[in-house]
Amino acid sequence: EPEVTQTPSHQVTQMGQEVILRCVPISNHLYFYWYRQILGQKVEFLVSFYNNEISEKSEIFDDQFSVERPDGSNFTLKIRSTKLEDSAMYFCASIPPPPAADTQYFGPGTRLTVL
Amino acid sequence: AQSVTQLDSHVSVSEGTPVLLRCNYSSSYSPSLFWYVQHPNKGLQLLLKYTSAATLVKGINGFEAEFKKSETSFHLTKPSAHMSDAAEYFCVVSRFYGQNFVFGPGTRLSVLP
Repeated sequence: EPEVTQTPSHQVTQMGQEVILRCVPISNHLYFYWYRQILGQKVEFLVSFYNNEISEKSEIFDDQFSVERPDGSNFTLKIRSTKLEDSAMYFCASIPPPPAADTQYFGPGTRLTVL
Repeated sequence: AQSVTQLDSHVSVSEGTPVLLRCNYSSSYSPSLFWYVQHPNKGLQLLLKYTSAATLVKGINGFEAEFKKSETSFHLTKPSAHMSDAAEYFCVVSRFYGQNFVFGPGTRLSVLP
């Protein structure tokens, strides 16, 4: 069964550094998402992406964040200058085209640790 | 705006006894509702979903949930808990195709031998 994949599984970085988190959504899916989960807290929506542009974004998704689908398969989340509070698990998700379902398929996550 | 409340942050049951994880939602429109499970250090796995068809929804691993519009609830149940059910469970609401998911705060299920 196709799966959403994410790399790396764990990223450690210094505060102020740029990081890029990578996701490969399921190939025929149309919408792509990033969520984050700070340790011990709930999963929060960051951004959705459709037809090569941002569809919706939350208040968390400020100017230090950006997303890109550079090559038709990868979907990346860039954090320009990381802060300690960016430490979290980041999940990528995608949904298939209608009428299949509105179920989001989640990747295994990337744990980002900012020191 | 939509929101999800999970009334219990932690539920502890004995193996072989029933499980009840409570979820209430708030939505201006007929929502789609989901339960996801997250095992330690793992990703999010879909347990089941409600998308305006049958109100009693059966999922994987013996779980089921009932959508009650009058009570704005979507509680998750299982007749008999297994040790492998120990995990974090999230109730999730979505309004329409493509919209982002809104997660509840999660309920941690512990299963005692």
